[in-house]
Amino acid sequence: EVQLLESGGDLVQPGGSLRLSCAASGFNFGSDAMIWVRQAPGKGLEWVSVISGDGYKTYHADSVMGRFTISRDSSKNTLSLQMNSLRVEDTAVYYCANDPNSAGHYWGQGTLVTVSS
Amino acid sequence: DVVMTQSPLSLPVTLGQPASISCRSSQSLLHSDGNTFLHWFQQRPGQSPRRLIYQVSKRDSGVPDRFSGSGSGTDFTLKISRVEAEDVGVYYCVQATDWPLTFGGGTKVEIK
Repeated sequence: EVQLLESGGDLVQPGGSLRLSCAASGFNFGSDAMIWVRQAPGKGLEWVSVISGDGYKTYHADSVMGRFTISRDSSKNTLSLQMNSLRVEDTAVYYCANDPNSAGHYWGQGTLVTVSS
Repeated sequence: DVVMTQSPLSLPVTLGQPASISCRSSQSLLHSDGNTFLHWFQQRPGQSPRRLIYQVSKRDSGVPDRFSGSGSGTDFTLKISRVEAEDVGVYYCVQATDWPLTFGGGTKVEIK
């Protein structure tokens, strides 16, 4: 059974930092690109970051570039998102998922990040 | 960035009746490799999104055959042949032909 389990979401003050993790199992994690997608309360889906299967290529949305860093540890089947200089507008549920172009596509249950003073 | 425009925003449907959602992209989604990376997602209330249709018209495993996708270039459609109660939720089209990945704004399907 495929599982993606996010963790690390919390309440943090503006300007603060947080690190999200996504533990993957049940599929060939090392071969798939992985993405983070977020959903602000009551809003639609917004892609945040992507990392290639080998971890060498990363790409971030303009809204988070320079503040967020995606990384992966294929030895531990773990995807991470380091979030710095957090803003109120970063408040959202953050989901990890594998490559949407893959034949099998999976999402986690999400983790809530709240940025507020 | 590729802009994805969905319509309608809200779609009240009678149980057992068909439903159709339109998605238009600001540029062709035909990739140089010949594939079109246009997918449809369903998000039921309180749940994570799940992919229903990938590459325009291929159904994901476990997706009922009442869901179908069609289209090409910049115009795409998701159809539900007979809406059931479990189909309530928000549907998103997403393009993955050209990065960054971009989503449509969503269509909320509800039962009349």
